Amino acid sequence: KQEVTQIPAALSVPEGENLVLNCSFTDSAIYNLQWFRQDPGKGLTSLLLIQSSQREQTSGRLNASLDKSSGRSTLYIAASQPGDSATYLCAVRPNNNNDMRFGAGTRLTVKP
Amino acid sequence: SAVISQKPSRDICQRGTSLTIQCQVDSQVTMMFWYRQQPGQSLTLIATANQGSEATYESGFVIDKFPISRPNLTFSTLTVSNMSPEDSSIYLCSAGGQAEKLFFGSGTQLSVL
Repeated sequence: KQEVTQIPAALSVPEGENLVLNCSFTDSAIYNLQWFRQDPGKGLTSLLLIQSSQREQTSGRLNASLDKSSGRSTLYIAASQPGDSATYLCAVRPNNNNDMRFGAGTRLTVKP
Repeated sequence: SAVISQKPSRDICQRGTSLTIQCQVDSQVTMMFWYRQQPGQSLTLIATANQGSEATYESGFVIDKFPISRPNLTFSTLTVSNMSPEDSSIYLCSAGGQAEKLFFGSGTQLSVL
């Protein structure tokens, strides 16, 4: 069964710092991987989707990478801002007919 | 991208009652799912809502407790039945096509007294 782990569980950084969030998964046979953002008490906002054939995706200050063979993905946030404070969730899709399996998330705080 | 409207956004319910959560997608989607997020935890899949047939439930979730409907490709409901305080969670609807992003509704924050 696919297990998804996110490290660290929580991270606090000063504004302007670049940071990396880590996600690892146990079964490298994935269909795609998606990063989400969740604000307290809210639903999930999709950030980036990486298909299994891709190595990275970029959107603005965000860059997500995927190394399927090692079972890892990273989310890089450049020039962090207080508005980036949220929980970031990594999820993998085992195949195209399945739901996604989620990590426990990294709670990010960006201090002004 | 799909826009998902989920309601109610929050509710406070009495023990033993039932609550139905609605999920409306602005376009036809192949797949719809229902998740639960308990306080401080990540998301756990409850079931896959299948259009025109019974939902597919994950281990630990049963139809009598969480009946699901999906009458068409844009709408689904989840009912939390005979509620207890342990059912207090955020319930999330999600939808997407194959090989596409999965989109989420804004969630229903349920508190059971």
